[in-house]
Amino acid sequence: GAGVSQSPSNKVTEKGKDVELRCDPISGHTALYWYRQRLGQGLEFLIYFQGNSAPDKSGLPSDRFSAERTGESVSTLTIQRTQQEDSAVYLCASSKGQGRDTQYFGPGTRLTVL
Amino acid sequence: SQQGEEDPQALSIQEGENATMNCSYKTSINNLQWYRQNSGRGLVHLILIRSNEREKHSGRLRVTLDTSKKSSSLLITASRAADTASYFCATGGGSNYKLTFGKGTLLTVNP
Repeated sequence: GAGVSQSPSNKVTEKGKDVELRCDPISGHTALYWYRQRLGQGLEFLIYFQGNSAPDKSGLPSDRFSAERTGESVSTLTIQRTQQEDSAVYLCASSKGQGRDTQYFGPGTRLTVL
Repeated sequence: SQQGEEDPQALSIQEGENATMNCSYKTSINNLQWYRQNSGRGLVHLILIRSNEREKHSGRLRVTLDTSKKSSSLLITASRAADTASYFCATGGGSNYKLTFGKGTLLTVNP
Protein backbone atom coordinates (compact mmCIF):
# COMPACT_ATOMS: atom_id res chain seq x y z
CA GLY A 1 0.00 0.00 0.00
CA ALA A 2 0.94 3.64 -0.21
CA GLY A 3 1.40 4.04 3.51
CA VAL A 4 0.93 2.43 6.89
CA SER A 5 -2.74 2.01 7.76
CA GLN A 6 -4.31 1.32 11.12
CA SER A 7 -7.78 0.35 12.22
CA PRO A 8 -9.94 1.34 13.86
CA SER A 9 -9.11 5.03 13.90
CA ASN A 10 -11.00 5.43 17.15
CA LYS A 11 -12.05 2.88 19.75
CA VAL A 12 -14.11 3.50 22.85
CA THR A 13 -14.41 0.60 25.24
CA GLU A 14 -15.46 -0.13 28.77
CA LYS A 15 -12.98 -0.97 31.47
CA GLY A 16 -12.33 -4.70 31.60
CA LYS A 17 -13.05 -5.38 27.92
CA ASP A 18 -10.47 -6.70 25.45
CA VAL A 19 -9.50 -4.70 22.36
CA GLU A 20 -7.63 -5.52 19.18
CA LEU A 21 -5.80 -2.89 17.16
CA ARG A 22 -4.65 -3.61 13.64
CA CYS A 23 -1.71 -2.36 11.61
CA ASP A 24 -1.03 -2.84 7.90
CA PRO A 25 2.56 -1.86 7.15
CA ILE A 26 3.96 -0.63 3.88
CA SER A 27 4.28 -3.54 1.48
CA GLY A 28 7.75 -5.07 1.62
CA HIS A 29 8.72 -3.53 4.94
CA THR A 30 10.14 -6.28 7.10
CA ALA A 31 10.28 -4.30 10.33
CA LEU A 32 7.19 -3.20 12.25
CA TYR A 33 6.93 -1.22 15.47
CA TRP A 34 4.22 -0.33 17.96
CA TYR A 35 4.34 2.82 20.07
CA ARG A 36 1.97 4.38 22.57
CA GLN A 37 1.42 8.09 23.02
CA ARG A 38 -0.35 9.41 26.08
CA LEU A 39 -1.91 12.85 25.93
CA GLY A 40 0.71 15.59 25.71
CA GLN A 41 3.59 13.15 25.76
CA GLY A 42 6.12 11.74 23.36
CA LEU A 43 5.94 8.22 22.00
CA GLU A 44 6.77 5.19 24.13
CA PHE A 45 8.16 2.11 22.39
CA LEU A 46 6.11 -1.03 22.94
CA ILE A 47 7.33 -3.82 20.66
CA TYR A 48 9.33 -4.46 17.51
CA PHE A 49 8.89 -7.16 14.87
CA GLN A 50 11.46 -8.33 12.37
CA GLY A 51 9.50 -10.53 10.01
CA ASN A 52 7.03 -12.43 12.16
CA SER A 53 9.17 -12.64 15.24
CA ALA A 54 9.46 -10.09 18.02
CA PRO A 55 13.04 -9.79 19.23
CA ASP A 56 12.13 -6.98 21.61
CA LYS A 57 8.97 -6.89 23.67
CA SER A 58 10.55 -4.88 26.44
CA GLY A 59 8.19 -1.93 26.10
CA LEU A 60 4.96 -3.84 26.68
CA PRO A 61 3.60 -2.34 29.94
CA SER A 62 2.12 -5.53 31.37
CA ASP A 63 1.10 -9.08 30.51
CA ARG A 64 -2.29 -7.70 29.46
CA PHE A 65 -0.57 -6.47 26.30
CA SER A 66 0.38 -8.82 23.48
CA ALA A 67 1.06 -8.53 19.78
CA GLU A 68 1.50 -10.81 16.83
CA ARG A 69 2.41 -10.50 13.21
CA THR A 70 1.57 -12.89 10.42
CA GLY A 71 2.76 -13.28 6.85
CA GLU A 72 5.40 -10.66 7.50
CA SER A 73 2.59 -8.19 7.05
CA VAL A 74 -0.37 -7.40 9.27
CA SER A 75 0.13 -6.99 12.99
CA THR A 76 -2.41 -7.02 15.79
CA LEU A 77 -1.91 -5.44 19.20
CA THR A 78 -4.24 -6.91 21.81
CA ILE A 79 -4.99 -5.37 25.17
CA GLN A 80 -6.86 -7.60 27.57
CA ARG A 81 -8.96 -6.40 30.50
CA THR A 82 -8.45 -2.77 29.54
CA GLN A 83 -7.85 -0.16 32.21
CA GLN A 84 -8.41 3.59 32.07
CA GLU A 85 -4.63 4.10 32.09
CA ASP A 86 -4.51 2.31 28.72
CA SER A 87 -6.25 5.28 27.10
CA ALA A 88 -3.81 6.67 24.53
CA VAL A 89 -3.08 6.84 20.83
CA TYR A 90 -1.44 3.63 19.62
CA LEU A 91 0.84 4.20 16.66
CA CYS A 92 2.30 1.65 14.32
CA ALA A 93 5.34 2.20 12.12
CA SER A 94 7.21 0.14 9.55
CA SER A 95 10.61 0.31 7.91
CA LYS A 96 12.43 -1.56 5.19
CA GLY A 97 14.64 -3.32 7.70
CA GLN A 98 15.89 -2.85 11.19
CA GLY A 99 18.64 -0.51 12.10
CA ARG A 100 19.11 2.78 10.36
CA ASP A 101 16.05 2.91 8.16
CA THR A 102 13.43 5.60 8.44
CA GLN A 103 10.30 4.52 10.27
CA TYR A 104 7.04 5.49 8.58
CA PHE A 105 4.06 5.93 10.86
CA GLY A 106 0.38 5.18 10.48
CA PRO A 107 -2.37 7.57 11.60
CA GLY A 108 -2.81 5.80 14.90
CA THR A 109 -5.73 4.37 16.84
CA ARG A 110 -7.13 6.55 19.60
CA LEU A 111 -8.21 4.25 22.42
CA THR A 112 -10.50 5.56 25.13
CA VAL A 113 -11.27 3.32 28.08
CA LEU A 114 -14.28 4.48 30.08
CA SER B 1 13.09 6.94 29.90
CA GLN B 2 13.10 9.75 27.37
CA GLN B 3 16.28 10.33 25.44
CA GLY B 4 15.42 13.45 23.52
CA GLU B 5 14.17 16.62 25.12
CA GLU B 6 12.84 19.38 22.90
CA ASP B 7 13.09 23.02 23.74
CA PRO B 8 11.01 25.13 23.88
CA GLN B 9 7.89 23.19 24.85
CA ALA B 10 5.78 25.70 22.94
CA LEU B 11 6.56 28.35 20.36
CA SER B 12 4.22 30.91 18.81
CA ILE B 13 5.32 33.00 15.83
CA GLN B 14 3.88 35.01 12.96
CA GLU B 15 3.66 33.69 9.44
CA GLY B 16 6.85 34.43 7.52
CA GLU B 17 9.09 34.28 10.57
CA ASN B 18 11.62 31.54 11.19
CA ALA B 19 11.10 28.92 13.88
CA THR B 20 13.94 27.20 15.69
CA MET B 21 13.48 24.15 17.89
CA ASN B 22 16.19 22.40 19.81
CA CYS B 23 16.67 18.84 20.95
CA SER B 24 19.12 17.48 23.49
CA TYR B 25 19.86 13.82 24.09
CA LYS B 26 21.87 11.80 26.55
CA THR B 27 23.57 8.79 25.01
CA SER B 28 25.43 8.10 21.78
CA ILE B 29 23.34 7.81 18.65
CA ASN B 30 23.52 6.46 15.11
CA ASN B 31 21.12 9.05 13.80
CA LEU B 32 18.58 11.63 14.86
CA GLN B 33 15.25 12.13 13.19
CA TRP B 34 12.69 14.91 13.28
CA TYR B 35 8.98 14.22 12.94
CA ARG B 36 5.89 16.43 12.71
CA GLN B 37 2.55 15.51 14.22
CA ASN B 38 -0.71 17.23 13.44
CA SER B 39 -3.61 17.07 15.87
CA GLY B 40 -2.10 14.29 17.95
CA ARG B 41 -2.29 11.66 15.25
CA GLY B 42 0.15 10.13 12.76
CA LEU B 43 3.73 11.30 12.58
CA VAL B 44 5.25 12.57 9.37
CA HIS B 45 8.95 11.97 8.93
CA LEU B 46 10.74 15.21 8.11
CA ILE B 47 14.44 14.56 8.04
CA LEU B 48 17.12 12.15 9.26
CA ILE B 49 20.63 13.25 10.08
CA ARG B 50 23.34 10.68 10.70
CA SER B 51 25.87 10.95 13.47
CA ASN B 52 28.67 11.75 11.01
CA GLU B 53 26.73 14.64 9.47
CA ARG B 54 26.66 18.17 10.85
CA GLU B 55 23.98 19.85 8.76
CA LYS B 56 21.23 18.81 6.41
CA HIS B 57 18.66 20.70 4.34
CA SER B 58 15.29 19.74 2.97
CA GLY B 59 13.21 22.50 1.41
CA ARG B 60 12.52 25.07 4.14
CA LEU B 61 13.98 22.79 6.80
CA ARG B 62 17.52 22.95 8.11
CA VAL B 63 18.76 20.50 10.72
CA THR B 64 22.05 20.68 12.54
CA LEU B 65 23.66 18.08 14.75
CA ASP B 66 26.39 18.64 17.31
CA THR B 67 27.41 15.27 18.73
CA SER B 68 29.91 16.86 21.11
CA LYS B 69 27.07 18.76 22.77
CA LYS B 70 24.54 15.99 22.17
CA SER B 71 22.15 18.45 20.61
CA SER B 72 20.29 19.13 17.39
CA SER B 73 18.27 22.01 16.05
CA LEU B 74 15.47 22.21 13.53
CA LEU B 75 15.00 25.49 11.68
CA ILE B 76 11.88 26.15 9.64
CA THR B 77 12.31 29.20 7.45
CA ALA B 78 9.52 31.45 6.16
CA SER B 79 6.94 29.67 8.29
CA ARG B 80 3.35 29.15 7.15
CA ALA B 81 0.15 28.61 9.08
CA ALA B 82 0.19 25.02 7.78
CA ASP B 83 3.42 24.43 9.72
CA THR B 84 1.40 24.56 12.94
CA ALA B 85 2.01 21.17 14.57
CA SER B 86 4.01 19.39 17.23
CA TYR B 87 7.60 18.61 16.33
CA PHE B 88 9.49 15.70 17.85
CA CYS B 89 13.08 14.60 17.72
CA ALA B 90 13.78 10.90 17.93
CA THR B 91 17.05 9.14 18.46
CA GLY B 92 18.25 5.64 17.72
CA GLY B 93 21.08 3.92 19.49
CA GLY B 94 23.42 1.14 18.48
CA SER B 95 20.74 -1.31 17.49
CA ASN B 96 18.66 1.64 16.42
CA TYR B 97 15.39 -0.08 15.82
CA LYS B 98 13.93 1.50 18.92
CA LEU B 99 13.29 5.19 18.48
CA THR B 100 13.22 7.26 21.64
CA PHE B 101 11.14 10.40 21.46
CA GLY B 102 11.05 13.63 23.42
CA LYS B 103 7.83 15.32 24.50
CA GLY B 104 7.86 17.63 21.50
CA THR B 105 7.62 21.32 20.73
CA LEU B 106 4.18 22.70 19.92
CA LEU B 107 4.63 25.25 17.15
CA THR B 108 1.83 27.70 16.39
CA VAL B 109 2.17 29.87 13.31
CA ASN B 110 -0.30 32.72 13.35
CA PRO B 111 -1.58 34.02 10.02
